[in-house]
Parts: sequence; structure tokens; C-alpha cells
Amino acid sequence: GENVEQHPSTLSVQEGDSAVIKCTYSDSASNYFPWYKQELGKRPQLIIDIRSNVGEKKDQRIAVTLNKTAKHFSLHITETQPEDSAVYFCAVPQASGGSYIPTFGRGTSLIVHP
Amino acid sequence: KAGVTQTPRYLIKTRGQQVTLSCSPISGHRSVSWYQQTPGQGLQFLFEYFSETQRNKGNFPGRFSGRQFSNSRSEMNVSTLELGDSALYLCASSFTSTGAVNEKLFFGSGTQLSVL
Repeated sequence: GENVEQHPSTLSVQEGDSAVIKCTYSDSASNYFPWYKQELGKRPQLIIDIRSNVGEKKDQRIAVTLNKTAKHFSLHITETQPEDSAVYFCAVPQASGGSYIPTFGRGTSLIVHP
Repeated sequence: KAGVTQTPRYLIKTRGQQVTLSCSPISGHRSVSWYQQTPGQGLQFLFEYFSETQRNKGNFPGRFSGRQFSNSRSEMNVSTLELGDSALYLCASSFTSTGAVNEKLFFGSGTQLSVL
């Protein structure tokens, strides 16, 4: 099955710093790579995603980069703010039975200190 | 548009009992998937339904089952509850015309199940 590794498990930064979270995967057929943010006590929400036909996608302070050859993709958050504090999950859908099974990384707890 | 709705929000059960959780997807979404979230294991896929058919099942014992109705609402059932079943159970819906789940997932707030 798909193996997804996410690092680091915890990331502590000062407000205004940048944060980078990386996920590596094993299934080379994967073609969709989303990132979800889960604030404490709340539901996971998609914050950005990328498809395999592009290498980078930006949305204001958030960006995702994809390296298909090396099988990894990363979430970049610039000018971090306290409200960015949350757990971030990557996901890699694995093709199965005409559909896909999403495999999630273990999550990264991002703490932004004011 | 209303989001994904899960009921109940909290449940307390004892070992050996069974439980049924409900999920109403976003209107127009035909795919519903279920996940178990625990601090130790993270988010793990349980199963996915599309047009009332289970298309995929994760690596969970047969005590975990589900179904989907013609209006796309879904239920999951856990029988003979064990202490280790204590977790947050999340469902997610997805809009897909092809039936593929490589599209964004919209999660519900989850049902927090505690097994005593």
C-alpha cells in the first residue's frame, strides 16, 4: 500500500518566520496532493492542493511544491501568524478498485509564537 | 450551502455495545468516506461509498461497517465495541462525477466516541 511520511511532527516558529512541512510517498501513480489544516477541536479543512502536471502552486502566504521524481511535496507558509497554529496533514490518494484511498501523513503540529 | 453534518457530536458507550453514526454530505456530493482519528495513529481510512455502493474498505475489522442511502446520507456502525475504538470518527464528502476520490474532501466536525 501507499506509504506516506510527514516531517517534522512538531514545528515551533516565531511569528513572521517561515514554516516548511514535507511529505514523501511511495506510489508513483499518485497525481493529486492536498494539504489539510485542522485547528484544535475543529474539522480538517483543505488549504491548498496540487496536481502532478505542475511543480508549484501559491495562494497568498501558502505554497505547495511537488517533486514527482523524488516523490515528495512540501507545504510552505511564509510570514506565519498565530492563527496558523494548527495540525497540518498531507494526503496521497492511492488508486484502488476504480477509485482512490487517501493515505494521510501523521500530521505536523505547527506552533506560532507571538 | 450547508456543510457536512455528523451526528451525534459525542457518544459514550461501554464495551460490547454497538453504535451507529450518521453523516449527511454536502448537497450534490455523491461520495462519502469515513475516517478514524486517534492521537497515536492519525487519520485512517475506514471506507468509501459512492451511489450506495461501497467501493473501498480500509484495514479495519468486520465490526466496522457502513452503508449509504439513495440521498447520499451515510451511516457507519461499530459492533461489539472495544476500548481501542475510542476515537474521533470523521466523515467527508466529495464532489466527483467520475467516482474518483482524488478530489478535495469536505470534512464534518466528527463524532467523538468514548468507549468505557
